Amino acid sequence: AQSVTQLDSQVPVFEEAPVELRCNYSSSVSVYLFWYVQYPNQGLQLLLKYLSGSTLVKGINGFEAEFNKSQTSFHLRKPSVHISDTAEYFCAVSSSNTGKLIFGQGTTLQVKP
Amino acid sequence: EAGVTQSPTHLIKTRGQQATLRCSPISGHTSVYWYQQALGLGLQFLLWYDEGEERNRGNFPPRFSGRQFPNYSSELNVNALELEDSALYLCASSAFNQPQHFGDGTRLSIL
Repeated sequence: AQSVTQLDSQVPVFEEAPVELRCNYSSSVSVYLFWYVQYPNQGLQLLLKYLSGSTLVKGINGFEAEFNKSQTSFHLRKPSVHISDTAEYFCAVSSSNTGKLIFGQGTTLQVKP
Repeated sequence: EAGVTQSPTHLIKTRGQQATLRCSPISGHTSVYWYQQALGLGLQFLLWYDEGEERNRGNFPPRFSGRQFPNYSSELNVNALELEDSALYLCASSAFNQPQHFGDGTRLSIL
């Protein structure tokens, strides 16, 4: 069985500071990993994905994530956040042939001026 | 390019009624997925349709059902509505072996 744990439910940070949102996963098979962002009253927007290849993945809006197989982690980072980054962030895992994404519980990023 | 579109945006029903939610995928995508985002329960996988066939189903009772049409659009039907069915229902679509892209959801409220 697969599962995803987002280690922080809320992360407060000041504008222009760096941020890391932590995600650990468990799976007995090869996985694909994703980060999605959800703004209030909206659906999910894909930030970035790891399917294979380079373990450092760059996404939209200046976000990046590093796949660490030995630590089964896929942490999301941004060197300098903006007020507009305030949102809910979801880490997700999937494997081929199931179709389904398994999501973590989400991390609320609160960027303060 | 138009994204995933869902209708209606909001839907209000009473207990015991039936609800029908609709989803149009991104052009060229053949797979459609449904998820439930309920308060306190997070995002839960409901159904996966591909090429008109149901390919996988999450841990939901049979009163949650759906179908995919020849133009790849999809609808989700929920029968005998219960209070705990109140949630945001998200539809996603994808091309073969590609990431899923989500719509803005239908908020279903059960009174």
